[in-house]
Amino acid sequence: DTAVSQTPKYLVTQMGNDKSIKCEQNLGHDTMYWYKQDSKKFLKIMFSYNNKELIINETVPNRFSPKSPDKAHLNLHINSLELGDSAVYFCASSHSSGGAGDTQYFGPGTRLTVL
Amino acid sequence: ELKVEQNPLFLSMQEGKNYTIYCNYSTTSDRLYWYRQDPGKSLESLFVLLSNGAVKQEGRLMASLDTKARLSTLHITAAVHDLSATYFCAALKGWYGKLIFGQGTELSVKP
Repeated sequence: DTAVSQTPKYLVTQMGNDKSIKCEQNLGHDTMYWYKQDSKKFLKIMFSYNNKELIINETVPNRFSPKSPDKAHLNLHINSLELGDSAVYFCASSHSSGGAGDTQYFGPGTRLTVL
Repeated sequence: ELKVEQNPLFLSMQEGKNYTIYCNYSTTSDRLYWYRQDPGKSLESLFVLLSNGAVKQEGRLMASLDTKARLSTLHITAAVHDLSATYFCAALKGWYGKLIFGQGTELSVKP
């Protein structure tokens, strides 16, 4: 059983398009996250939701919009894609939002390539 | 602003040797995490260090935390090829699970 899953695994698209990445966790966790890993492997948090409520909203272009329909799902929609959006996007989840040293469990990643 | 720095960024080791990866963070953080990432793969949790003086060991890896020095170390004992990967440390900022990651240390273990 996959704990944190993402679809698609690979996404190749043209500049200006709109695309979505989906994430699901079956761990019963309350908190989910989106991270971006750039070509130099640097990881940066983008968003976090706790029980469907946005709790972390980093300085990210407003072309990026997360949506959490329920606490097991967190999707990322990106409008008007730009070359600089090319990266690997990781979804993660944790039992709660940082309390008691909760470990964040990462999904397999979605490699987005914008042409 | 919390910043996390690892060194070295690249480490080429011989099998059987010992080495240490260092993780410094700039302001107070109560939690320090270590993750492993294989090429093209996800991040795998290795250790969570919760308090000053915490030490955790798993196989050939041992992690420690000194909150006064704002330093965590990941010690590798008698390296084997299977340990080749990129290792990240991350410090927790605030109470909402915001992890600030270091740059990663790319470890290559050669025979």
